[in-house]
Amino acid sequence: EAGVAQSPRYKIIEKRQSVAFWCNPISGHATLYWYQQILGQGPKLLIQFQNNGVVDDSQLPKDRFSAERLKGVDSTLKIQPAKLEDSAVYLCASSFSTGANVLTFGAGSRLTVL
Amino acid sequence: GQQLNQSPQSMFIQEGEDVSMNCTSSSIFNTWLWYKQDPGEGPVLLIALYKAGELTSNGRLTAQFGITRKDSFLNISASIPSDVGIYFCAVRSSNTGKLIFGQGTTLQVKP
Repeated sequence: EAGVAQSPRYKIIEKRQSVAFWCNPISGHATLYWYQQILGQGPKLLIQFQNNGVVDDSQLPKDRFSAERLKGVDSTLKIQPAKLEDSAVYLCASSFSTGANVLTFGAGSRLTVL
Repeated sequence: GQQLNQSPQSMFIQEGEDVSMNCTSSSIFNTWLWYKQDPGEGPVLLIALYKAGELTSNGRLTAQFGITRKDSFLNISASIPSDVGIYFCAVRSSNTGKLIFGQGTTLQVKP
């Protein structure tokens, strides 16, 4: 089966610019996650979707970050305006259902903010 | 907040050696997971542990769920170069249901 697809793989922007990341989960996976992984740290959950509804966005900086999964399949994560501390790898993952321990991760989108 | 502490932070070993790393928490968790992240890739699940005291193997990997439910360890026997990567422990929060990751143990293997 195809894995979790993410694009772009790399993005370099200046602070205060905007950026968007795209994720296509594994077919049939109802739950989609966006994680932020800062260099030297473990992934931190930003937002979790169940189909097209938000399950948890408690750690999403909502003043600058937004995410949507309008049709319950692919998803976009947007940052506007970006700050230096947003430099990180943004990992998308999917699972069959909420509460599943087997998450399949994409390769990530590496963001550098200058 | 809930935190996981992994040790060691990094390891540099010779090919063929055995490796041991662990993960501790001040809170009790009922599910412990071990993931591996290869350079430039996302984490991949290695082993899942669901019962205190449980010992589970996956090839050369063995993981144990601590009897107190506050720790877990991962052993790799006879390491090979492709074992290189970052190993993360993770737990599922009983409050929020979210997966919480440790900060990782970076493993380097010298051929």
